[in-house]
Amino acid sequence: AQSVAQPEDQVNVAEGNPLTVKCTYSVSGNPYLFWYVQYPNRGLQFLLKYITGDNLVKGSYGFEAEFNKSQTSFHLKKPSALVSDSALYFCAVRDIGARGGATNKLIFGTGTLLAVQP
Amino acid sequence: DTAVSQTPKYLVTQMGNDKSIKCEQNLGHDTMYWYKQDSKKFLKIMFSYNNKELIINETVPNRFSPKSPDKAHLNLHINSLELGDSAVYFCASSPGLPAVLYEQYFGPGTRLTVT
Repeated sequence: AQSVAQPEDQVNVAEGNPLTVKCTYSVSGNPYLFWYVQYPNRGLQFLLKYITGDNLVKGSYGFEAEFNKSQTSFHLKKPSALVSDSALYFCAVRDIGARGGATNKLIFGTGTLLAVQP
Repeated sequence: DTAVSQTPKYLVTQMGNDKSIKCEQNLGHDTMYWYKQDSKKFLKIMFSYNNKELIINETVPNRFSPKSPDKAHLNLHINSLELGDSAVYFCASSPGLPAVLYEQYFGPGTRLTVT
């Protein structure tokens, strides 16, 4: 079964420092990977996705993610954190059906709470 | 203008009642979804429609029934509510299929509390 793991429930970082939110995946076939962010009491917002091509994907609000096939990882990064980046971050992967075909479903990780201290 | 809207935002009801949550998107998208987020923030898809056709129907109790009167609306009706149904329900939409190639736009959520 396809899955994503976000090993850290919470990441704390000081404003201005670089941040990394970790995600590892387990899929059969080529992974389609996504990052979404959820601000308090709001719905999820799309940040970026990796389908194919360059391993470094740039997204919204200055975020980027690096696809690493050998380490089966898709970590989210930002060079300089802002207090306003504090939110819940979800990694997601496309699900593969029982017969090996792609489905239209995303499987979400458990989320990582990012807390940026001023 | 709100892209994906849900009503109501909060819903408090007693066990055994029947309730509905409505969702509307004004983005012209073909695909809509219902997700459930539990108290631990775990997010799981429940249903998806593409042009009013059901394309994803996860293992959810048949007390949950989605209805899509047109491609801009996807409603969720829940019969005989149980305590375990308490959660935040999110509606989302995306431009088309395959849905996983497109970003999904989420509504603000409906917090359902069953007492």
